[in-house]
Amino acid sequence: DAGITQSPRHKVTETGTPVTLRCHQTENHRYMYWYRQDPGHGLRLIHYSYGVKDTDKGEVSDGYSVSRSKTEDFLLTLESATSSQTSVYFCAISESSTGRGELFFGEGSRLTVL
Amino acid sequence: GENVEQHPSTLSVQEGDSAVIKCTYSDSASNYFPWYKQELGKRPQLIIDIRSNVGEKKDQRIAVTLNKTAKHFSLHITETQPEDSAVYFCAASMRSSGDKLTFGTGTRLAVRP
Repeated sequence: DAGITQSPRHKVTETGTPVTLRCHQTENHRYMYWYRQDPGHGLRLIHYSYGVKDTDKGEVSDGYSVSRSKTEDFLLTLESATSSQTSVYFCAISESSTGRGELFFGEGSRLTVL
Repeated sequence: GENVEQHPSTLSVQEGDSAVIKCTYSDSASNYFPWYKQELGKRPQLIIDIRSNVGEKKDQRIAVTLNKTAKHFSLHITETQPEDSAVYFCAASMRSSGDKLTFGTGTRLAVRP
């Protein structure tokens, strides 16, 4: 498995609280992504990054922000969590843009917002 | 934007039979079509992919076909085994949208022993 870890792996929080999920890679891959997985919706892209301090929005970015201050770390922040953000979040990395190569996923972070 | 539809949502087959999962995409400029397998409680992993200049690709018991004219592609699994039981996701990528992958909604395949 590619060297990619997510933390925390499980989190329960209350509506309105801030939450940060961390993705750490040891592969030195340029591209990093955050997806959420929900039944009936598959995997949907939240935000992605082409490199340090270079990020862009995906299809479901409302309510989320990201930061990438180092190549190896990509943080996903929910400024004020809502119940609709209860989901499993996957970080992914790729050496090249996804039009050309494989996405390697982390193990996922299960977030429950009460 | 890109839209990817995947069918069926669930599929149950007898061990040894074949399974076929179909996907359609909306943008004719799509050029890369991977398939990911996700076992229960695990991360998605790439099992096979195909590019728009190829019509078919095989890897042992799995194959993918692409029909660019009809804008659909399919995953074929032959001689299914219990370990093939998983959720399968198709995806499509379009260079003009920054190569971001759009995933289908997934197919839960159950192989009955």
